[in-house]
Amino acid sequence: EPEVTQTPSHQVTQMGQEVILRCVPISNHLYFYWYRQILGQKVEFLVSFYNNEISEKSEIFDDQFSVERPDGSNFTLKIRSTKLEDSAMYFCASRTGQNTGELFFGEGSRLTVL
Amino acid sequence: ILNVEQSPQSLHVQEGDSTNFTCSFPSSNFYALHWYRWETAKSPEALFVMTLNGDEKKKGRISATLNTKEGYSYLYIKGSQPEDSATYLCAFQGSARQLTFGSGTQLTVLP
Repeated sequence: EPEVTQTPSHQVTQMGQEVILRCVPISNHLYFYWYRQILGQKVEFLVSFYNNEISEKSEIFDDQFSVERPDGSNFTLKIRSTKLEDSAMYFCASRTGQNTGELFFGEGSRLTVL
Repeated sequence: ILNVEQSPQSLHVQEGDSTNFTCSFPSSNFYALHWYRWETAKSPEALFVMTLNGDEKKKGRISATLNTKEGYSYLYIKGSQPEDSATYLCAFQGSARQLTFGSGTQLTVLP
């Protein structure tokens, strides 16, 4: 069964370092998302991506964050200069073109910023 | 900021008990309401996507109802089993299309 895959599963980094989290969405899906969950808090929307551009982003998704779909299969989230408060579980999700289609999530990438 | 609330926050039930929990969401700009099941160390999996007021959906022992006019949805589990233990997330999809998640209800089914 097709699935969304994410790498790395866990990354530890120093504050101020750049981090790239990678996702391979399901191949025929058209919408791609990043969500995050800080420990003990709600799952929060970061950004959605459609047709090779950002379609929506939240207030969390500031200039330190960027997304890219460099090669038609990978969907990456880059954090330019990590802060302690970026420590969280980051989930990639994708869905078909149907507006009420369910999201298919990856297993998440745990980011720990020291 | 959209307010999507789930209650209770956590719930312990005995195997065989039936249970239900609530998701409340804004009653305006409604597009869809999603329910996801999230087991520890796995990714959230979709249970239902509901769009119509009065909608009821069922998957095995799990069912959900939707009231868009008053802004709530109930998730029911009949005859809970230990494998039902998970966090159940609801997510509101408004006209902006992205999903806003509730905090989840953590269900533990004791054998």
